[in-house]
Amino acid sequence: TQLLEQSPQFLSIQEGENLTVYCNSSSVFSSLQWYRQEPGEGPVLLVTVVTGGEVKKLKRLTFQFGDARKDSSLHITAAQPGDTGLYLCAGEGSWGKLQFGAGTQVVVTP
Amino acid sequence: KAGVTQTPRYLIKTRGQQVTLSCSPISGHRSVSWYQQTPGQGLQFLFEYFSETQRNKGNFPGRFSGRQFSNSRSEMNVSTLELGDSALYLCASSTDRGWTGGYTFGSGTRLTVV
Repeated sequence: TQLLEQSPQFLSIQEGENLTVYCNSSSVFSSLQWYRQEPGEGPVLLVTVVTGGEVKKLKRLTFQFGDARKDSSLHITAAQPGDTGLYLCAGEGSWGKLQFGAGTQVVVTP
Repeated sequence: KAGVTQTPRYLIKTRGQQVTLSCSPISGHRSVSWYQQTPGQGLQFLFEYFSETQRNKGNFPGRFSGRQFSNSRSEMNVSTLELGDSALYLCASSTDRGWTGGYTFGSGTRLTVV
């Protein structure tokens, strides 16, 4: 049973378009992390959000953490082909244990 | 600085055999976690070690075990391999309070059981 629900499962867009990925949970986590994974490689950390209501911006990526610390979103502005990958949200509960969502596969075509 | 190193990258084993995978964390990182990634189940937590002690364990059978050495390097072992154990095995390292800085993952070991 996935504690973290990600939507959509798959997203295919053209270069220059915007996209949003959602991550929802019935549980509260001490932090929520977003990763991007490319085929055959390990996930790479994009951001960690800790405080309810927190918004973090990394260039064209904007991350939000819900007030109740149960949901989060990732918004990409003017997507580029290099943004293609599997986006994973992960909630941290007890020591060193991340609960991952199933992931959102994003494909950006030129 | 060097990243998380996992060896080997690829492994093919026969049902019933056992396998040992290795993970060298980033220098200074004392926490090492292991995950199994499959297309059907996604990323699932196996266990976490800190200072040679297992602090947390996921819901996997006892065939899956691990250990951590004094230099923080970690190994995981799977005995009596089953076809369903075919997966990408990932390790991740962090400082003690991983939630403040997230985790750094290795590239993984692709295990195929035939």
